[in-house]
This record gives sequence, structure tokens and C-alpha cells, in this order.
Amino acid sequence: LAKTTQPISMDSYEGQEVNITCSHNNIATNDYITWYQQFPSQGPRFIIQGYKTKVTNEVASLFIPADRKSSTLSLPRVSLSDTAVYYCLVGPNFGNEKLTFGTGTRLTIIP
Amino acid sequence: DADVTQTPRNRITKTGKRIMLECSQTKGHDRMYWYRQDPGLGLRLIYYSFDVKDINKGEISDGYSVSRQAQAKFSLSLESAIPNQTALYFCATSDPGETDTQYFGPGTRLTVL
Repeated sequence: LAKTTQPISMDSYEGQEVNITCSHNNIATNDYITWYQQFPSQGPRFIIQGYKTKVTNEVASLFIPADRKSSTLSLPRVSLSDTAVYYCLVGPNFGNEKLTFGTGTRLTIIP
Repeated sequence: DADVTQTPRNRITKTGKRIMLECSQTKGHDRMYWYRQDPGLGLRLIYYSFDVKDINKGEISDGYSVSRQAQAKFSLSLESAIPNQTALYFCATSDPGETDTQYFGPGTRLTVL
């Protein structure tokens, strides 16, 4: 499973766009990139998944450059409720049994 | 996610006691997982099961055992609890047909005194 590196923490003000970048230099051809969000004392929740280029849903956008060695989760116009830990995971779409969540990025939204 | 439930939600026990944490799911997924999370750290995989007859160790299986009683039920046991097993435990399910996205339960907070 490709190792990922993401910032330990980030702060942002309400209403701003937040971009969290994840590095995964050893990503394999059949690996997908998945982001999860975790609030305190709750289980992680799926946000978005992508393979290449750009993916957008009602919650976030995921930007993946052509070399796929990194990815950026973009949260538009954040609010206080977006304060959470965000995990970047990389692995095959089928059979990611050894999923490694790492420590994630602790995002704090400031009023 | 209400589709994945865990019992109990909180448990305090003493060193040496046997503890069982239970997980049930109504999502119809074949794959189920047990993780633990320590304060300020990410999740670590304890055991996972791809179907009723399949059980696999994760990265930190020592001191734990599991039982997959049915597709919907996956239990985690601590045969003889010790204080460093104090943690938040999460159960999750996934379906490879749904990009293998994992759906997590609400967690069980276990304290071993």
C-alpha cells in the first residue's frame, strides 16, 4: 500500500476555501485515492474518491495531477462544522484490506 | 452510520477480564473490519473478514481474537484485558462493488483499569 504524507494540522477561517494536499510518491497503477473525514469520538466518514484529474461531489473536490504522485482535497467555503481530521488513503479499489489511515490532517476552522 | 452498530458504546473493565465487543450491520456487506484508535493517533487495523469463512490478522492482532458469526455480525474479544488496550474501537464494513468504501460504526470506548 502506497505510503501517504499529509500535514499534521491546518487552520482556516470560516468562509474560506481549504486545500489539503497529500503526497503519495509510490502510488501504483491500480491504486485509487480516497479521503475520509473524522469528527471527535466518531468513526471516519467517506468524503470523496478519485483516480485521476478532478472529481467533485456535493461536499468537496479532489484534484489529482497527471503523475498522480499527490492529490489535493478542496473544501469550499468552510464552516465551523468542518473542523475534523481528514485522512488520505491510497490503495487498490478492490482489496484494500490493509488500509492505513495514518494520523491525518487536523483541520481547525476559526470563527 | 446507523447501518453499523456497536455494543457496548462504553465499557470499563479490570485487568485480566475477558471482554467482547460486538458489531452488527444491515448494509449487507461481506467485508467487515475492527480498528482501534488511541488519542491523537490514526486508526490501526486489528482484524478483518472478507466473508463468514474468512478471517485475517491486521497490523495489531496480538491480544485480540474475532468471531464472524454471520454476514451481519463480527465480534472482537480481548481474552485477558490489559491497560494498554484502553482505546476507542471501531467496526467498519465495505463492499468491493461500491469502490470498497468503508462505513464505520459509532465506536466503543473501552477503559481497562
